[in-house]
Amino acid sequence: SQQGEEDPQALSIQEGENATMNCSYKTSINNLQWYRQNSGRGLVHLILIRSNEREKHSGRLRVTLDTSKKSSSLLITASRAADTASYFCASRSMNRDDKIIFGKGTRLHILP
Amino acid sequence: DADVTQTPRNRITKTGKRIMLECSQTKGHDRMYWYRQDPGLGLRLIYYSFDVKDINKGEISDGYSVSRQAQAKFSLSLESAIPNQTALYFCATSVLSGSSDTQYFGPGTRLTVL
Repeated sequence: SQQGEEDPQALSIQEGENATMNCSYKTSINNLQWYRQNSGRGLVHLILIRSNEREKHSGRLRVTLDTSKKSSSLLITASRAADTASYFCASRSMNRDDKIIFGKGTRLHILP
Repeated sequence: DADVTQTPRNRITKTGKRIMLECSQTKGHDRMYWYRQDPGLGLRLIYYSFDVKDINKGEISDGYSVSRQAQAKFSLSLESAIPNQTALYFCATSVLSGSSDTQYFGPGTRLTVL
């Protein structure tokens, strides 16, 4: 089964608002990554947070990680129409030779 | 030019046909992956390869085979296509070094099996 599960499955917000997406995973991880996918296109890496980190920032993105709850969140501040996309979390297990497991994704729609 | 390319980009075929999807990369990465994406199911790993002599099954390898012809090329074959293999297929590459653990995706191949 999928290691990562995003919540919510779909999210619509007004432009300028903040968007928060959550991800849960099942086993101990080395790192957790977030990717973005525009409709029908390949995924693009956004940010990586390691298991010993609790928060990380990149521009308008803020990622948190709570290893005790096996969960992560992605916050996009001051959303723009161009942020409309699907967002996936992907977890890398403690064994770095293991594969990355992707979640099912959150579809984010920014309303003008 | 794109770092990870996939051919063909779109393919319609019939049940029972043999299909090959090809992936090439210019990033010099050792690790390559094949995923399929279905609506509402995210990405599921089919096969992955950590170098030319290494092939590993993923979550859903049944009905698929792969070939790593060179470091830069990783092809996916459907020996006898069936309709439930209709999906969007992605190739990805990565390199495991230091703090880097990013996967780089190709543009995808949309496969329809009638």
